[in-house]
Amino acid sequence: LAKTTQPISMDSYEGQEVNITCSHNNIATNDYITWYQQFPSQGPRFIIQGYKTKVTNEVASLFIPADRKSSTLSLPRVSLSDTAVYYCLVGDLRGSTLGRLYFGRGTQLTVWP
Amino acid sequence: GAGVSQSPRYKVAKRGQDVALRCDPISGHVSLFWYQQALGQGPEFLTYFQNEAQLDKSGLPSDRFFAERPEGSVSTLKIQRTQQEDSAVYLCASTSEDFQPQHFGDGTRLSIL
Repeated sequence: LAKTTQPISMDSYEGQEVNITCSHNNIATNDYITWYQQFPSQGPRFIIQGYKTKVTNEVASLFIPADRKSSTLSLPRVSLSDTAVYYCLVGDLRGSTLGRLYFGRGTQLTVWP
Repeated sequence: GAGVSQSPRYKVAKRGQDVALRCDPISGHVSLFWYQQALGQGPEFLTYFQNEAQLDKSGLPSDRFFAERPEGSVSTLKIQRTQQEDSAVYLCASTSEDFQPQHFGDGTRLSIL
């Protein structure tokens, strides 16, 4: 199972764009990249998932270069409520493997007024 | 519809007592996962069910931990003869099929005195 490396913490101000990069040098052919968000006293919440190039939804974009050894979660115009821990997970999304994806310690994003 | 529900939200037990934690997954979700999350860490996999079958229990830390899902819906995680190191948040997640994101409950915070 591919492990990931992401910054322990990041700071931003309201209204700015935030980019969180995750390294996953050992990514395998069948692996997908998934990002979750977690607030204190809550379970993780799915943000976005992708395999290659760029994926965009209503809350974020995910950029994946051709070699897929890293990925960048982009949060446009963050607000105070985006303060949370963000996890980058890499792995095969089938069966038991889906549950065994490595969360690591995530990135604590703090948004300031 | 309703999300994943876990109960109790908080549990305090004395060392040596047995505890039971309950998870109600989203209706119709085939796959169910249990995780343990220590303070400041990401969730770590404990066990995986597909319907009523426990297909992977490789993450259970000891034989004091036992999980079941007898009818393929509600699941119970039981910890016997609790120890202080069992103190953590226990998260449950479910998903409808492969490649779909996991839906997490808000967890049970277990404190062993």
